[in-house]
Amino acid sequence: DIQMTQSPPSLSVSVGDRVTITCRASQTISRYLNWYQQKPGNAPNLLIYAASSLQSGVPSRFSGSGSGAVFTLTISSLQPEDFAEYYCQQTYSAPLTFGGGTKVEIE
Amino acid sequence: QVQLVQSGAEVKKPGASVKVSCKTSGYKFIGYYIDWVRQAPGQGLEWMGRINPDSGVTKYAQKFQGRITMTRDTSTSTAHMEVRRLRSDDTAVYYCARVLSYIGTNLEWFDPWGQGTQVIVSS
Repeated sequence: DIQMTQSPPSLSVSVGDRVTITCRASQTISRYLNWYQQKPGNAPNLLIYAASSLQSGVPSRFSGSGSGAVFTLTISSLQPEDFAEYYCQQTYSAPLTFGGGTKVEIE
Repeated sequence: QVQLVQSGAEVKKPGASVKVSCKTSGYKFIGYYIDWVRQAPGQGLEWMGRINPDSGVTKYAQKFQGRITMTRDTSTSTAHMEVRRLRSDDTAVYYCARVLSYIGTNLEWFDPWGQGTQVIVSS
């Protein structure tokens, strides 16, 4: 199974900060990488698919990059509604696997 | 709009079975896979498997082989997942999600997700 490792597990930031979350795959997965945001009590919501494609309706302050085995999710200027948990997901091979999550908290 | 609406919360005893439903609307049901993902309390996301609503063909994560069954009802555009021989560590929120993809590739993503079904396994 492909292991997905996210870092950091959590971070405390302020509104307006630039945030970068990293996701590393245990093997190369090309661009088969998605990012989701999950708020407490809610289902995950798609932000980025195929490593760098912004899902329709998602604010442009979110961006994704990377290929191979290292990927990043960047929030250019954190807004109050962005405090949430973020997960990466690989779809290169089954079983599909997710990173352990990164919790973005208010500093 | 596209919606996936799941069945309500369940409380089950160890050893019992539970069947969770995912009723879809707003798109062609047989045109997209449905995947199931669960999330234990305070934990991350775990992929359980998928069903092709057109053919009924399923693919399960090895961890759940023999203990889950995914089915679909094309007349009601609903997917179902049954989990048998429940244990306390099956306590989780279970989600269904529609799978979108670039045709002919494994470039896939989940959108949207159902609202989740809480399953509690307790004696």
